[in-house]
Amino acid sequence: LAKTTQPISMDSYEGQEVNITCSHNNIATNDYITWYQQFPSQGPRFIIQGYKTKVTNEVASLFIPADRKSSTLSLPRVSLSDTAVYYCLVGDSSRYNQGGKLIFGQGTELSVKP
Amino acid sequence: ETGVTQSPTHLIKTRGQQVTLRCSSQSGHNTVSWYQQALGQGPQFIFQYYREEENGRGNFPPRFSGLQFPNYSSELNVNALELDDSALYLCASSLDPPGQTRPDTQYFGPGTRLTVL
Repeated sequence: LAKTTQPISMDSYEGQEVNITCSHNNIATNDYITWYQQFPSQGPRFIIQGYKTKVTNEVASLFIPADRKSSTLSLPRVSLSDTAVYYCLVGDSSRYNQGGKLIFGQGTELSVKP
Repeated sequence: ETGVTQSPTHLIKTRGQQVTLRCSSQSGHNTVSWYQQALGQGPQFIFQYYREEENGRGNFPPRFSGLQFPNYSSELNVNALELDDSALYLCASSLDPPGQTRPDTQYFGPGTRLTVL
């Protein structure tokens, strides 16, 4: 399973766009990139998933360059409620990956200030 | 709100005791996974069940065991508790059965905070 590297922490202000980059140099052909968000004392919550190029939903955008060795989660116009830990996960499906387990790293702690 | 509930919310045990944690998955979700999250760390995969059968296990000793029931509920049992077992225990359910072509979206409960003294 590909190892991921992301910043331990980031600070931002309300209304700004936040970009969190994740490095995954040894990503495999079958791997997808998934981001989860976790608030204190809650379980992680799925944000977005992609394989290549750009994916957008109502919450965020995910940019994946052609070589797929990194990805960037973009949060438009953050608010105080976006303060959370953001995890970048790289892995394949349960067809190849025993049990379909999710491999979490330490994540990026995003702090949004007024 | 993910529709996944866990009980109890908090629990305090002493070293050597046994504990059972419970999870109720979303209706229709036949896959449930359990994770352990130590303070300041990301969740670590314990095991996964699909239709009441274990379908993958992480690097946890046999004293961590589980059960899944037909009514979308499941249990995590930990025997001979150790101080290092203090953590947030999360269960996550997913709709897709094993064998899909992309990673499942897993829906997490709020967790049970276990403290071992």
